[in-house]
Amino acid sequence: DTGVSQDPRHKITKRGQNVTFRCDPISEHNRLYWYRQTLGQGPEFLTYFQNEAQLEKSRLLSDRFSAERPKGSFSTLEIQRTEQGDSAMYLCASTKETGYYGYTFGSGTRLTVV
Amino acid sequence: AQTVTQSQPEMSVQEAETVTLSCTYDTSESDYYLFWYKQPPSRQMILVIRQEAYKQQNATENRFSVNFQKAAKSFSLKISDSQLGDAAMYFCLSQGSNFGNEKLTFGTGTRLTIIP
Repeated sequence: DTGVSQDPRHKITKRGQNVTFRCDPISEHNRLYWYRQTLGQGPEFLTYFQNEAQLEKSRLLSDRFSAERPKGSFSTLEIQRTEQGDSAMYLCASTKETGYYGYTFGSGTRLTVV
Repeated sequence: AQTVTQSQPEMSVQEAETVTLSCTYDTSESDYYLFWYKQPPSRQMILVIRQEAYKQQNATENRFSVNFQKAAKSFSLKISDSQLGDAAMYFCLSQGSNFGNEKLTFGTGTRLTIIP
């Protein structure tokens, strides 16, 4: 297993366009988290899944954001009608069960909205 | 709700010396986990050390140790014998242990520079 994979690594899009990111967690990890990190800040929680169930979604997340994890494997994060304020690094992390044994983070997808 | 505060945006230490990074947190949970993660430049986050809140004993991992003061809600990280490879952004994190309330809450990070 090569860890948590995120695709693409970089995405430049025009304001108003839709974008979709993919995260492939470690295969035996049933929990998957999405975070957003802006320059100089700590990552901010977006949402998390246990298997295919979305357990929590940040109230900061507008309706333009949606995430799925079909079949409890990979996950996608879609941003509709992107805005310049969406520019950030989007991080995915996975863990087994409660997360006590640590989270494995992906390298992130850097989104730039122009 | 949980909050994590790291009051030192930047720290520097001479190679081979010891440095302590501060972290305070607030939570209403009775049980929770605390972590330190490091994020090297342009690289992914790596777990440094973890602590369960109900455990009194401070966690240690080789050159890394924590000073966990539950009553004061303090969770500082001590790095001994600092090495050049320790240079990174260090994040303090908390996580609730109740089902459905298990998101990670990050502090704003401390950028650690190692001076050769």
